[in-house]
Amino acid sequence: QLHLQESGPGLVKSSETLSLTCPVSGDSFISGTYYGALIRRPPGKGLEWIGSVYHSGTTYYNPSLRSRVSISVDTSKNQFSLKLTSLTATDTAVYYCVGHRLVVPIAVDFWGPGTLVTVSS
Amino acid sequence: QSALTQPPSASGSLGQSVTISCTGTSRDVGGYNYVSWYQQHPGKAPKLMIYEVTKRPSGVPDRFSGSKSANTASLTVSGLQAEDEAEYHCSSYGGSNNVIFGGGTNLTVL
Repeated sequence: QLHLQESGPGLVKSSETLSLTCPVSGDSFISGTYYGALIRRPPGKGLEWIGSVYHSGTTYYNPSLRSRVSISVDTSKNQFSLKLTSLTATDTAVYYCVGHRLVVPIAVDFWGPGTLVTVSS
Repeated sequence: QSALTQPPSASGSLGQSVTISCTGTSRDVGGYNYVSWYQQHPGKAPKLMIYEVTKRPSGVPDRFSGSKSANTASLTVSGLQAEDEAEYHCSSYGGSNNVIFGGGTNLTVL
């Protein structure tokens, strides 16, 4: 079992960097049973995978976002974190921290409640 | 890769069945048996309902079933109940360690 919770700012400015942290309850992330990942949903659009991280620090990113994304892990705090640079209004979305078994989120078993991030000019 | 194509809306009467489609290409839906379906109620996080095209996680009613033909996957909800009214999202492995989603379908139970 995994419980995830998003932690980050609700409002960020255009061209700045979004930093979002995903604390994880349960040892299935540290033990390597699950990958951590971030998925977002812009208003009026479908879901979009941002990237995934293994407890070892190995990362996988959506090719369309790879140039702006960095996901890191802090095993001492049982959490992983997202940095998304050069923000624009199109990055406005509900961001979800999630847990999944395989290398990429082919099937996402656990979802955080989500947090709305608004990019303002 | 482009998003998978879902109809924006679908509807069915209580007790009836409804099928939602999810169309991709041979590079994603048609190329792998890694299609998933999620149910999302307003203001809530998505919930996994179907994975690997046809499999149901523990606790998901057997009224929910999945299938695939060529580049189109489908989710069928039988014996519609009021609580099935939600948005449904499909996803597929797209090769090269990538996953893509559909635009979502709003299901209305009449």
